[in-house]
Amino acid sequence: EAGVVQSPRYKIIEKKQPVAFWCNPISGHNTLYWYRQNLGQGPELLIRYENEEAVDDSQLPKDRFSAERLKGVDSTLKIQPAELGDSAVYLCASSSNDRGREETQYFGPGTRLLVL
Amino acid sequence: GQQVMQIPQYQHVQEGEDFTTYCNSSTTLSNIQWYKQRPGGHPVFLIQLVKSGEVKKQKRLTFQFGEAKKNSSLHITATQTTDVGTYFCAGLGTNAGKSTFGDGTTLTVKP
Repeated sequence: EAGVVQSPRYKIIEKKQPVAFWCNPISGHNTLYWYRQNLGQGPELLIRYENEEAVDDSQLPKDRFSAERLKGVDSTLKIQPAELGDSAVYLCASSSNDRGREETQYFGPGTRLLVL
Repeated sequence: GQQVMQIPQYQHVQEGEDFTTYCNSSTTLSNIQWYKQRPGGHPVFLIQLVKSGEVKKQKRLTFQFGEAKKNSSLHITATQTTDVGTYFCAGLGTNAGKSTFGDGTTLTVKP
């Protein structure tokens, strides 16, 4: 079974530029998460989807961040414009949640973003 | 909001020594999950605890969930070099319905 796929793996951009990350969850997983992980810290939830619905985006900086999961499968996270402080690893995770409770989260390899 | 704290932040041990990391939540949890992240890697699920006072073992790893469901611990017996990495706990709140990760304990093992 293929795991969570993310691309790109690395991205270097200049500040004020836009950037987008893509995630394809494990087949059949209806819940998808985007996390940001700064060096030396734990993952911080940005947004959580149940199918195509964003059920928790309270931590998403909506002035510059946006996300979509149009068909309830793969998802895109965008930053526009990027700032120096956005440098971090962006992790995507998915889980099945088919028993009505949060199940194991499977993480992708992440996208390491460096903003210069 | 819900806060999850882990201690210690770093732990350096000699191979063969034991290791314990502690996780404390500001609120009562529905469950707690433990993940391991190797240097340069991504978090990998280890285990989930649901019941008050629950204890689970995986070979040399022992996981406990506190009676009040607000704290948890991970104990590794006789550490090996393959145990190096950062261990995160993630607590699922009873109200918010989302997991909050601690900042992890980074374990280094000297052979």
